[in-house]
Amino acid sequence: GDSVTQMEGPVTLSEEAFLTINCTYTATGYPSLFWYVQYPGEGLQLLLKATKADDKGSNKGFEATYRKETTSFHLEKGSVQVSDSAVYFCALTLSGGYQKVTFGTGTKLQVIP
Amino acid sequence: GAGVSQSPSNKVTEKGKDVELRCDPISGHTALYWYRQSLGQGLEFLIYFQGNSAPDKSGLPSDRFSAERTGGSVSTLTIQRTQQEDSAVYLCASTLGQETQYFGPGTRLLVL
Repeated sequence: GDSVTQMEGPVTLSEEAFLTINCTYTATGYPSLFWYVQYPGEGLQLLLKATKADDKGSNKGFEATYRKETTSFHLEKGSVQVSDSAVYFCALTLSGGYQKVTFGTGTKLQVIP
Repeated sequence: GAGVSQSPSNKVTEKGKDVELRCDPISGHTALYWYRQSLGQGLEFLIYFQGNSAPDKSGLPSDRFSAERTGGSVSTLTIQRTQQEDSAVYLCASTLGQETQYFGPGTRLLVL
């Protein structure tokens, strides 16, 4: 079945450090890929997405590129801030009418001043 | 409404009691999902409703869990004879077929 694998956390970084959170997937079809973020005490919200190979999703300084050849969608940010501390979830959904979403287990990021 | 709402926001119950959790999706959204998020864990899919199709119940952990969606809008997740391992945050999300899921704030359930 479809699955998403994320690097385990927690990830602790100093402010202004470079961030990479790895995400790989397996899918029976041609998925759309997402990163969701959950800030402390808040609900999940979409951070960025990409719907086809080589697309780059970006938002709030975060980027992720849909790599079909490596089945990956790694999240990156060049310079993290304390306010980026959150749990990040990679997810996929197959195209078509049935849009059940498969989530990874989440990666907790803590940015320290 | 402007977003997905869930009620109650917190629920404390005794082991063995039944609980009902409510989700009001964004108006017009055809798909509705329930997830469970245990402390320190990822999202566990429970059930999925899409329009008038039969729901996908493949994620329900036991027959103590059930859900319904009335009139294609509001959904209720019912947990019968609650157990301590049912303690978690129960999240609801809706979508209009744009693939992006809009999440509610969740119901934090504690079973004593």
